[in-house]
Amino acid sequence: QVQLQESGPGLVKPSETLSLTCTVSGDSVSSGNYYWTWIRQPPGKGLEWIGYVYYTGNTNYNPSLKSRVTISVDTSKNQFSLKLTSVTAADTAVYYCARRVAANPIYCFDYWGQGALVAVSS
Amino acid sequence: AIQMTQSPSSLSASVGDRVTITCRASQGIRNDLGWYQQKPGKAPKVLIYAASSLQSGVPSRFSGSGSGTDFTLTISSLQPEDFATYYCLQDYDYPLTFGQGTKVEIK
Repeated sequence: QVQLQESGPGLVKPSETLSLTCTVSGDSVSSGNYYWTWIRQPPGKGLEWIGYVYYTGNTNYNPSLKSRVTISVDTSKNQFSLKLTSVTAADTAVYYCARRVAANPIYCFDYWGQGALVAVSS
Repeated sequence: AIQMTQSPSSLSASVGDRVTITCRASQGIRNDLGWYQQKPGKAPKVLIYAASSLQSGVPSRFSGSGSGTDFTLTISSLQPEDFATYYCLQDYDYPLTFGQGTKVEIK
């Protein structure tokens, strides 16, 4: 059974860097056809795609966040990570890591972490 | 970015009702659309991918249709466990974008 688990600080100060890690079990981040993704959801609001990393290290980011986001993969630890710099209160959200399968004809987010609430506050 | 517009934003329905939620894309996205269900405090769960393909393990009362710009999620007979928020997601082009959500509440 594939499981994803987010970890990291639940509180970050304004202007600092938000860092989260997603640990994957039951699968390898080195598997092809999967895009390891971060998605966030501000309290009471909808879902926003942040970006993904492929096992090769290739990435793709939402242009709205691109200047502040880095997503990386550590195949030795079977983890991938999110860094978001210069955070403000608008970055307060539940952050989900998810596996996107992209194996024609199946394209979907089939496994998700439980979510990590990160608040930005001094 | 492709804009996804869902309607309605919320609806009230009774157990056993047939429920339809629509999603419109700001440009054609072939059939590259998924539907996700989210319950409070939980991560979303995929119901439908490729507009009409049922994800393994999802009850057959859920169905999807559409192509191009207009899509529909139908719940044929609403069950108590179906009260949740539903999101469409286009995965035709980056950035991937979600609809704003439709909250299905108990009448």
